[in-house]
Amino acid sequence: RKEVEQDPGPFNVPEGATVAFNCTYSNSASQSFFWYRQDCRKEPKLLMSVYSSGNEDGRFTAQLNRASQYISLLIRDSKLSDSATYLCVVNFNFNKFYFGSGTKLNVKP
Amino acid sequence: DGGITQSPKYLFRKEGQNVTLSCEQNLNHDAMYWYRQDPGQGLRLIYYSQIVNDFQKGDIAEGYSVSREKKESFPLTVTSAQKNPTAFYLCASRPGQGAGNTEAFFGQGTRLTVV
Repeated sequence: RKEVEQDPGPFNVPEGATVAFNCTYSNSASQSFFWYRQDCRKEPKLLMSVYSSGNEDGRFTAQLNRASQYISLLIRDSKLSDSATYLCVVNFNFNKFYFGSGTKLNVKP
Repeated sequence: DGGITQSPKYLFRKEGQNVTLSCEQNLNHDAMYWYRQDPGQGLRLIYYSQIVNDFQKGDIAEGYSVSREKKESFPLTVTSAQKNPTAFYLCASRPGQGAGNTEAFFGQGTRLTVV
């Protein structure tokens, strides 16, 4: 079983739509959680950290469910510029970051 | 500007050759990492270093070697023992363990192709 699993998509949505991704992780001792965004042929860039109480940054909302071992990312009012691959990242100990294989989002006009 | 720099951006290697990928950071980060990404895949950890003169194998270290002689530098050598080296290589860094659960910052990557 993979340490972190994501639906690869693609999710094809119209502009203005709300879209949500989930990510499950296997290690219940995981300490920190992140969502990264990766554009085609580029490096991943931090989108947001995920806090236990959930957190919001503009149109983006992240949630953590430790009991069910998943994290989620909600994007409201999708923009064309949101088209990218979204990577779920889980940190088990200081040095071990485990990356999901990513969920591809295509926002269409 | 502070950041993490990888070079070269594109690298072509003949079979049987060793090549070294450069990674330099001026963020004063203690920890540095090398990842490999294959098409449609997540990132897999090759090696990491928590501090100067120390490094540890990640999940796919076979066929790779690293050094950490300076805090700001963590070069990766892809040896001829790596059977399928064509991939996108990403270097990352983060502050020391005492800084808490901070995110990793990535360089722009090196795309290695075996010809």
